[in-house]
Amino acid sequence: AQSVTQLGSHVSVSEGALVLLRCNYSSSVPPYLFWYVQYPNQGLQLLLKYTTGATLVKGINGFEAEFKKSETSFHLTKPSAHMSDAAEYFCAVSERDSSYKLIFGSGTRLLVRP
Amino acid sequence: DAGITQSPRHKVTETGTPVTLRCHQTENHRYMYWYRQDPGHGLRLIHYSYGVKDTDKGEVSDGYSVSRSKTEDFLLTLESATSSQTSVYFCAISDPRTGGLYNEQFFGPGTRLTVL
Repeated sequence: AQSVTQLGSHVSVSEGALVLLRCNYSSSVPPYLFWYVQYPNQGLQLLLKYTTGATLVKGINGFEAEFKKSETSFHLTKPSAHMSDAAEYFCAVSERDSSYKLIFGSGTRLLVRP
Repeated sequence: DAGITQSPRHKVTETGTPVTLRCHQTENHRYMYWYRQDPGHGLRLIHYSYGVKDTDKGEVSDGYSVSRSKTEDFLLTLESATSSQTSVYFCAISDPRTGGLYNEQFFGPGTRLTVL
C-alpha cells in the first residue's frame, strides 16, 4: 500500500532562513503529489501540487517543491522564512487511478524564530 | 474559499452516546470525505462518498457510519462514542469536473470532538 513519510515532526528555522520540509512516498509508479498547510484551528489549504510536466512546482506564499522520481521525493522549500509561515505542513499523495483518495503524511510543524 | 461548513464546530459528549457530525457544501462537488486528525498520524480517511447514496469505507471506518441523501450534505455518525474517537474531524470535497482529476481536495474548518 502507498505510504508517505515526512521526516521530522518539528522543524525550527530563524526568520529569513531557508525552509526545507521533506516528503518521500513509497509507490514505484509516481503518484500525484500535494502539499497542504494548516494554520492553528483551521482546515487544510492547498499550497501546491504536482501532476505531470515540470518537476519544479511553484505554489502560494513563495513555496515551491521539486518532484524527484529517482529519489521518490517531493520536498517543500522556501528561500526565506517569514513569521507567518509558522504552521503544520502535510504532504499527500493520490494514486493515478479513479479512487480519488488522498494518503497523508504525519505532518511537520514549522516553527519560525524571530 | 470553497463553500464547506461543518457543524457543530465543537462538541463534548459522553462515552456510549451517539453523535452525528454534519458537512454541508455549496459547490455541487461529487466527492465528499470524512477524515480524523490525530497527533502523529496526519489525516486518516474514515469514509467517503462518490455520489448520493454511494459511500465506501476508508482506513479507519470501524465505529463510524455515514449517509448522503443529498449532494450537499454528508453526515458522519459515531454509533456509540468511545474515548478513542476524541479527535478533530475534517470534511473535504473534490470533483473531477472542476480540476479534481488529480484529486485536489478542499477542506472544511473541522469539528473538535471530545468523548469523556
